[in-house]
Amino acid sequence: GAGVSQSPRYKVAKRGQDVALRCDPISGHVSLFWYQQALGQGPEFLTYFQNEAQLDKSGLPSDRFFAERPEGSVSTLKIQRTQQEDSAVYLCASSLGSNSPLHFGNGTRLTVT
Amino acid sequence: GESVGLHLPTLSVQEGDNSIINCAYSNSASDYFIWYKQESGKGPQFIIDIRSNMDKRQGQRVTVLLNKTVKHLSLQIAATQPGDSAVYFCAEYPRTSGTYKYIFGTGTRLKVLA
Repeated sequence: GAGVSQSPRYKVAKRGQDVALRCDPISGHVSLFWYQQALGQGPEFLTYFQNEAQLDKSGLPSDRFFAERPEGSVSTLKIQRTQQEDSAVYLCASSLGSNSPLHFGNGTRLTVT
Repeated sequence: GESVGLHLPTLSVQEGDNSIINCAYSNSASDYFIWYKQESGKGPQFIIDIRSNMDKRQGQRVTVLLNKTVKHLSLQIAATQPGDSAVYFCAEYPRTSGTYKYIFGTGTRLKVLA
């Protein structure tokens, strides 16, 4: 497909489990973003990649959150030792570069029980 | 599916009327702004953007107005249709050294009444 693809669509994890969320950006898009969206809120920035370089991780809430984009294409957001407050929709977006519109995937809804 | 924006400000408009959704942005250094539409269970969808060297930009049935003096952005939707029902977010890009994040507003739910 031509859009941003995220998997899984839904993830249920027990507290303390590790999870990995995948993002396939639009081909050729240099920039990749991860956002967290709580119910009833706007998306909150987590981290930004330019190609394979993670240039901004100021939004990651704790050292349990880790993101990578090793070949400058697919990205993975990993959350270790999940906690209930991690429950949210995790959105991935890609763009051609700065000052360009972000194109979002449909997100992964994470529920931690 | 899940609901987006259960406790968001809501704008209710009659089908066929024009809608105006407002947004106050925070950073005077922001030089790029985007409006997004988010339907339940989906990611935000790009509607229209505007750069800070412009005051107005028009798309198909949508117009964005930018007032830099009071840091205000608005989205006007002409002849609102049932398919326009969604949550609308504005986003700003503050050109600040060392940060690359687009900052999103809290959102407004638009309900179109038949």
